[in-house]
Amino acid sequence: DTEVTQTPKHLVMGMTNKKSLKCEQHMGHRAMYWYKQKAKKPPELMFVYSYEKLSINESVPSRFSPECPNSSLLNLHLHALQPEDSALYLCASSRTLAGGLYEQYFGPGTRLTVT
Amino acid sequence: DQQVKQNSPSLSVQEGRISILNCDYTNSMFDYFLWYKKYPAEGPTFLISISSIKDKNEDGRFTVFLNKSAKHLSLHIVPSQPGDSAVYFCAASGTGTASKLTFGTGTRLQVTL
Repeated sequence: DTEVTQTPKHLVMGMTNKKSLKCEQHMGHRAMYWYKQKAKKPPELMFVYSYEKLSINESVPSRFSPECPNSSLLNLHLHALQPEDSALYLCASSRTLAGGLYEQYFGPGTRLTVT
Repeated sequence: DQQVKQNSPSLSVQEGRISILNCDYTNSMFDYFLWYKKYPAEGPTFLISISSIKDKNEDGRFTVFLNKSAKHLSLHIVPSQPGDSAVYFCAASGTGTASKLTFGTGTRLQVTL
């Protein structure tokens, strides 16, 4: 089973709202990732968690707040977003961070629209 | 600065023929390369990978070739099938950057009947 699940599939939120994106995997992977993908562009890394600790933050604005409550779950809390934050948000996981030798498995993504 | 480049935004191939997708990189610290396939409104699906200690890796209809001296890799799909129609992303990572995947801009493959 190489499944990463994400909820919700679609989300529309206003600029003053607070919402959360959820990601789950049951492959025993200890590294989890958030990516942002705009139309016709490649995925861009936002955050990396390794063994439930934040390992990489790619200078993401503080209106995006990640959380890793346990080894299977990854959340992305959203607050005071801007319309330009509208994108497909992808979660991924891999066995560990071991020198990049382990492929990352992606979820289907959450399509976020900020109005 | 685009460190991983896919210079062909689109490619059209007849069913049964070979599809060749190309990828170039500039960062000599990259030592692990992956290909992902993406359908619209879905996340990327891992296809095949290759470590820099190899020059070829094969998995069924998919073969990836790596030319380190030219900093070039390619994905061959033989035979191509209509279900292969998707966007293909090349990605790279380096030992020092561990988990950080740098993606290319993608090539849209259309397999025609």
